Amino acid sequence: SQTIHQWPATLVQPVGSPLSLECTVEGTSNPNLYWYRQAAGRGLQLLFYSVGIGQISSEVPQNLSASRPQDRQFILSSKKLLLSDSGFYLCAWSVGSGSLETQYFGPGTRLLVL
Amino acid sequence: KNQVEQSPQSLIILEGKNCTLQCNYTVSPFSNLRWYKQDTGRGPVSLTIMTFSENTKSNGRYTATLDADTKQSSLHITASQLSDSASYICVVYNFNKFYFGSGTKLNVKP
Repeated sequence: SQTIHQWPATLVQPVGSPLSLECTVEGTSNPNLYWYRQAAGRGLQLLFYSVGIGQISSEVPQNLSASRPQDRQFILSSKKLLLSDSGFYLCAWSVGSGSLETQYFGPGTRLLVL
Repeated sequence: KNQVEQSPQSLIILEGKNCTLQCNYTVSPFSNLRWYKQDTGRGPVSLTIMTFSENTKSNGRYTATLDADTKQSSLHITASQLSDSASYICVVYNFNKFYFGSGTKLNVKP
């Protein structure tokens, strides 16, 4: 069966510090991978998605970046965090095609920038 | 513009009661619609998925309906339990992108 891991579960970082969140998927090959951010009490905002190694599409311009160094590894980074980067970050993967395509979410990382 | 709107924004019900959550969408073309349950501080977990040809799908006490003509879906929860307290998110896929509603926050009280 497929499993998705995210770490760390929670993170408190000062403004201006770097960030690296990691997501790995097990039990599947060549998944589509996604990074979302969810602000408190708000819906999910798509940040990045990747259809393959080294292929990253950005949905929202910001000070974050993403990389996919391996097929089942997706990393979200920042060189200098802003207060507005605080939120709940979710990694997801999708499988299937056409009408059966669906997403599965990781447990999330709660980031607080102070 | 492709959008997914959910109502109500929040809902409080007593344990044991039924409730219905609504999802209206303008996403086109339509591939599938999925309802997720998100507990506080956790990732969303899938409840049901429906394609164009399906108009109802059940998962235990959760029953989702879909009217593709009016572009409306509902999630009915029967005999609510305290563990049903969560946010419920409607997501529509158009063969290219996933569109998320902002969710309905359900609070089940004893």
